[in-house]
Amino acid sequence: GAVVSQHPSWVICKSGTSVKIECRSLDFQATTMFWYRQFPKQSLMLMATSNEGSKATYEQGVEKDKFLINHASLTLSTLTVTSAHPEDSSFYICSPQTSRYEQYFGPGTRLTVT
Amino acid sequence: DAKTTQPPSMDCAEGRAANLPCNHSTISGNEYVYWYRQIHSQGPQYIIHGLKNNETNEMASLIITEDRKSSTLILPHATLRDTAVYYCIVRQNYGGSQGNLIFGKGTKLSVKP
Repeated sequence: GAVVSQHPSWVICKSGTSVKIECRSLDFQATTMFWYRQFPKQSLMLMATSNEGSKATYEQGVEKDKFLINHASLTLSTLTVTSAHPEDSSFYICSPQTSRYEQYFGPGTRLTVT
Repeated sequence: DAKTTQPPSMDCAEGRAANLPCNHSTISGNEYVYWYRQIHSQGPQYIIHGLKNNETNEMASLIITEDRKSSTLILPHATLRDTAVYYCIVRQNYGGSQGNLIFGKGTKLSVKP
């Protein structure tokens, strides 16, 4: 149980383009979705929190207009990196949480912006 | 900021028990201790969690001191596949942003043949 998928697993895009990352909880429902990013040799940093059907809450320093989060259903959330720049290159990890506060993690998406 | 302190790295011989310590001296009464690990270039994997009693599952054992200010994760028979960064996290079981897991730097465990 508790299977989380992320797609794509890795992506290379050109500066100025947008990239959408999908996160699915395959065998459970996620009432809350956390999105983290991790730069090389650093720990995971929370970017934003969203509840199904509501707008996301962003952590300080994370631009909400640049990182668009949609949590349209209890099994799907997307993160869109708009107008990507090389400094957005990172490892993005979704983390769905159940109504019982069980928190799981996706396998991550490696984004490289050239 | 993370509320836990862990040694940055540890080595363990394959087949031996790995004991990973964690200090959480400011833990409050309703905070749980969670352990996750992250193998290189993968998402974190849940290991175990507890409130005050010791816990055991198929992966590991969690020993929490009586005053709850520290804990130890025990991998009874470490294998090479247990090489990873291990994170000790304290968290209240609330929803929304209060319930997110705050990651510190963790302990990089290297299991050697």
